[in-house]
Amino acid sequence: DSGVTQTPKHLITATGQRVTLRCSPRSGDLSVYWYQQSLDQGLQFLIQYYNGEERAKGNILERFSAQQFPDLHSELNLSSLELGDSALYFCASSATGRPGNTIYFGEGSWLTVV
Amino acid sequence: TQLLEQSPQFLSIQEGENLTVYCNSSSVFSSLQWYRQEPGEGPVLLVTVVTGGEVKKLKRLTFQFGDARKDSSLHITAAQPGDTGLYLCAGVEPSGRNTPLVFGKGTRLSVIA
Repeated sequence: DSGVTQTPKHLITATGQRVTLRCSPRSGDLSVYWYQQSLDQGLQFLIQYYNGEERAKGNILERFSAQQFPDLHSELNLSSLELGDSALYFCASSATGRPGNTIYFGEGSWLTVV
Repeated sequence: TQLLEQSPQFLSIQEGENLTVYCNSSSVFSSLQWYRQEPGEGPVLLVTVVTGGEVKKLKRLTFQFGDARKDSSLHITAAQPGDTGLYLCAGVEPSGRNTPLVFGKGTRLSVIA
């Protein structure tokens, strides 16, 4: 158990819909990361927050957005869903968010778009 | 963004065999990390290598960082079914760049009893 909690674990939704994935970081960690994992693309970095502020942005689509709240939990919002958005979405956290800091992954949220 | 190429993509071996998987890049990283991901779980950090030429051992796993800090290898001795999983390497870009880890696509290892 990494201490990072993600909900829901599984989600099936239709194209065009919107979903929200939720993440609670490890106790004491200030930085949260979101990654998307698919078979063909591997683990792709989407976005990072540190203490409520966006720190780094990766390959995140405009249809996707995220935020980190004052209690440090984070949400990833996926809208206008397409079949290609089906993937495993991971949240991870680290203490300081600095490069090289150990990051801990949650168990992921399986999203299936039908 | 710097790319990490992992090979082989898939590997299926018998219990007791030895294996090596590779992680290569044309770019320099300040450090490299290896993760193992089991089905239904997130990646778990195995080791971080920092110095060029560094070798680290974790029981039957031996990790090496290339002298030029562009590549790394993972050698498993006497593989066991419990070693089955997706092995990912991840690079930390040189200091001064505030970019999170860059992951390779992984090597999917299956150890058959």
